[in-house]
Amino acid sequence: GESVGLHLPTLSVQEGDNSIINCAYSNSASDYFIWYKQESGKGPQFIIDIRSNMDKRQGQRVTVLLNKTVKHLSLQIAATQPGDSAVYFCAERGPMEYGNKLVFGAGTILRVKS
Amino acid sequence: NAGVTQTPKFRILKIGQSMTLQCTQDMNHNYMYWYRQDPGMGLKLIYYSVGAGITDKGEVPNGYNVSRSTTEDFPLRLELAAPSQTSVYFCASSYSARGRNNQPQHFGDGTRLSIL
Repeated sequence: GESVGLHLPTLSVQEGDNSIINCAYSNSASDYFIWYKQESGKGPQFIIDIRSNMDKRQGQRVTVLLNKTVKHLSLQIAATQPGDSAVYFCAERGPMEYGNKLVFGAGTILRVKS
Repeated sequence: NAGVTQTPKFRILKIGQSMTLQCTQDMNHNYMYWYRQDPGMGLKLIYYSVGAGITDKGEVPNGYNVSRSTTEDFPLRLELAAPSQTSVYFCASSYSARGRNNQPQHFGDGTRLSIL
């Protein structure tokens, strides 16, 4: 079945450094991917998305890279700030027959040290 | 816009009690979803709806019911609460044109439910 997993459950970075959060997905037919940020006591907040016909997309201080060959997704955060500390989830959407349902990974905790 | 609003924020139930978790959105989204999030786990889809009057089961629907009488509201009902339903529940919504949704889901802040 579909599954999305994260390699590193916890990532600690120094303030000002760049962060890279990784995600592996299993369904090669997935065509849409999303990164969410979840702060303590809050719901997931949309960060950035990417469609399978792209391999890179940039936002403000964030970049998502998609490698379909190895079914890998990453989120890069530039100049990490204390406010970036949160749990980060990737999610994938399967092929048409699965409708618009998303499959979420377990999450990676990002801790920013000042 | 308030986005997706969930009530209550916290609730403690006794085994066998029933309750309804409320969810409303003011973004005119046609799709709505209910997830549960257990500690250290990702979100699991309980039920979803593609529009008013239409609902369908997700990955973990047992023990829950939903209804979608309006575009804005998507309540989740627990009929006989069990300890295994202790979790954080999130409602989400999104917009889809012509069935294939390339828009992200927007989430509420969750309802923390404990069954004792």
